[in-house]
Amino acid sequence: DAGVIQSPRHEVTEMGQEVTLRCKPISGHNSLFWYRQTMMRGLELLIYFNNNVPIDDSGMPEDRFSAKMPNASFSTLKIQPSEPRDSAVYFCASSLRLAGGSYEQYFGPGTRLTVT
Amino acid sequence: QQPVQSPQAVILREGEDAVINCSSSKALYSVHWYRQKHGEAPVFLMILLKGGEQKGHEKISASFNEKKQQSSLYLTASQLSYSGTYFCGTEMGDYGGATNKLIFGTGTLLAVQP
Repeated sequence: DAGVIQSPRHEVTEMGQEVTLRCKPISGHNSLFWYRQTMMRGLELLIYFNNNVPIDDSGMPEDRFSAKMPNASFSTLKIQPSEPRDSAVYFCASSLRLAGGSYEQYFGPGTRLTVT
Repeated sequence: QQPVQSPQAVILREGEDAVINCSSSKALYSVHWYRQKHGEAPVFLMILLKGGEQKGHEKISASFNEKKQQSSLYLTASQLSYSGTYFCGTEMGDYGGATNKLIFGTGTLLAVQP
């Protein structure tokens, strides 16, 4: 099993540029999560999908952030325009959710984003 | 809404025991525990469900007090490999059961020394 795959692993961009982060969940998983981790705010849930449908995006900080999941094997998190305060490690995680139960999440290696 | 973890940091010698606590002000459906090593992704350790069911690693134990909305992670006979930051993730329920939405605590840094 390849695990959750994220790309790029590192991204350095200038303020104002568009940034797109990509995630491939574990095959067969039906829930996908995007998290952001910083020293100041810890590990925050940004948005999550069940069966490709966005369920809760209340953690998305601003309209500059958007996420899509066009199919079960791919998701993107886009920041446009980027700002220095967006610098963080962005994790994607997936899980197999059945019938309302609680299940472990498997995290990808993360994308370290630096906005200068 | 973010759960509070204590202690913030702990230093152990190999073989010593530690307890990490997680406390929430909200009624919980479950508590998840993860460990993150420096520069790596969080790794799942255990889920504790209301009603007492547990899912996770055999060598790690934990408890969940539903009345107090508190969970504790017990690390016994610590090994060097136990070092890392431990996070609890709290999950609330709705009419359909688990919401699948985790709110992570502030983390507890554990350092095990030889």
